[in-house]
Amino acid sequence: AQKITQTQPGMFVQEKEAVTLDCTYDTSDPSYGLFWYKQPSSGEMIFLIYQGSYDQQNATEGRYSLNFQKARKSANLVISASQLGDSAMYFCAMRVTGAQKLVFGQGTRLTINP
Amino acid sequence: EPEVTQTPSHQVTQMGQEVILRCVPISNHLYFYWYRQILGQKVEFLVSFYNNEISEKSEIFDDQFSVERPDGSNFTLKIRSTKLEDSAMYFCASSDLAYRTDTQYFGPGTRLTVL
Repeated sequence: AQKITQTQPGMFVQEKEAVTLDCTYDTSDPSYGLFWYKQPSSGEMIFLIYQGSYDQQNATEGRYSLNFQKARKSANLVISASQLGDSAMYFCAMRVTGAQKLVFGQGTRLTINP
Repeated sequence: EPEVTQTPSHQVTQMGQEVILRCVPISNHLYFYWYRQILGQKVEFLVSFYNNEISEKSEIFDDQFSVERPDGSNFTLKIRSTKLEDSAMYFCASSDLAYRTDTQYFGPGTRLTVL
């Protein structure tokens, strides 16, 4: 079975600082994908970034990057130069080959202070 | 930019009533999903649907739930006899394919409140 663990229930960061949101995962499947989603207070789920288990390089999307450490089974999201609009819940999720479901972590609530 | 839409945004119902939640997936996507998020908890997979059939479902998706693609654009989740514990945000999602790399794009959600 797959499992995602996000150990930070809440984080508070000053605007313009970088922030790292932790995600560790557990699977015995060698082929998997890791996803991060943002959920603002309005409730929608917004896809941010994807990392494949066989990808050699860490994924980047604008201010978002993924610090992928396969041996440690971690896929931390890094947000550079945080903005007030980054305040939201952030979910890490995983999908393995052959399965269609995404398995989500508990989420981290990020608050950006001005 | 194409997006997944869901209606209604909020549904209030009495316990024991039937509800139908509606979704319009992204038009060229082939796989459709329903997830739910009980308030304050993580997002949980309910069911995936492909080629007019359920392709995967979780243990949550019992006989009170059903899904349907009644026409070429809509995808629905029916809850036959709602319970208090069905109160949650229900998300529809869609993807091009079902490979591990394929991103699932989520709709804005329907908040279901069962009284």
